[in-house]
Amino acid sequence: EDQVTQSPEALRLQEGESSSLNCSYTVSGLRGLFWYRQDPGKGPEFLFTLYSAGEEKEKERLKATLTKKESFLHITAPKPEDSATYLCAVTYNQGGKLIFGQGTELSVKP
Amino acid sequence: NAGVTQTPKFQVLKTGQSMTLQCAQDMNHNSMYWYRQDPGMGLRLIYYSASEGTTDKGEVPNGYNVSRLNKREFSLRLESAAPSQTSVYFCASSWGLLGTEAFFGQGTRLTVV
Repeated sequence: EDQVTQSPEALRLQEGESSSLNCSYTVSGLRGLFWYRQDPGKGPEFLFTLYSAGEEKEKERLKATLTKKESFLHITAPKPEDSATYLCAVTYNQGGKLIFGQGTELSVKP
Repeated sequence: NAGVTQTPKFQVLKTGQSMTLQCAQDMNHNSMYWYRQDPGMGLRLIYYSASEGTTDKGEVPNGYNVSRLNKREFSLRLESAAPSQTSVYFCASSWGLLGTEAFFGQGTRLTVV
């Protein structure tokens, strides 16, 4: 079954404590892997698109990487304002539309 | 530049009532989507429209209908609301179905009592 799985479900960090979020996918013909940030009561906000294994994208304290089976969102020296739910999604040849993982709820304490 | 605009933001319905959720985008995108988000279930696709004039079922279409009114607007209709349809609904749009990022509206929080 084609699916997207994110881990962990929840992550609590101290300010400055770097970590990584995982997104694994079991689809064939990946056409794009997307990371979003969602704050409570708001819609998902687009962060990155990755297209092929080995690709990396960076934005401030966030860095997204992609392999043939999974993607990581690395958070370096996080701040409390990085607290949010991070969503991973993919489009793939046979699916034809954007499907999402369950998300990782990140909490960064000062 | 508003992006994706959804109306209303909040709605309470009684079981059996009908309503239409409205969505409009001003980015000249071809594809539009309706998702629902429930605790522990993530975002699930209800219906999508690859381009103007086409609509297709997603993962959870039962109890819903959609209309792609024109390139800008994509509405979601609940014909006879049920408590199981209590959720947060998001509309999104993208240039195309594959390989392009989608941009989301702020959501409609719907409660069916």
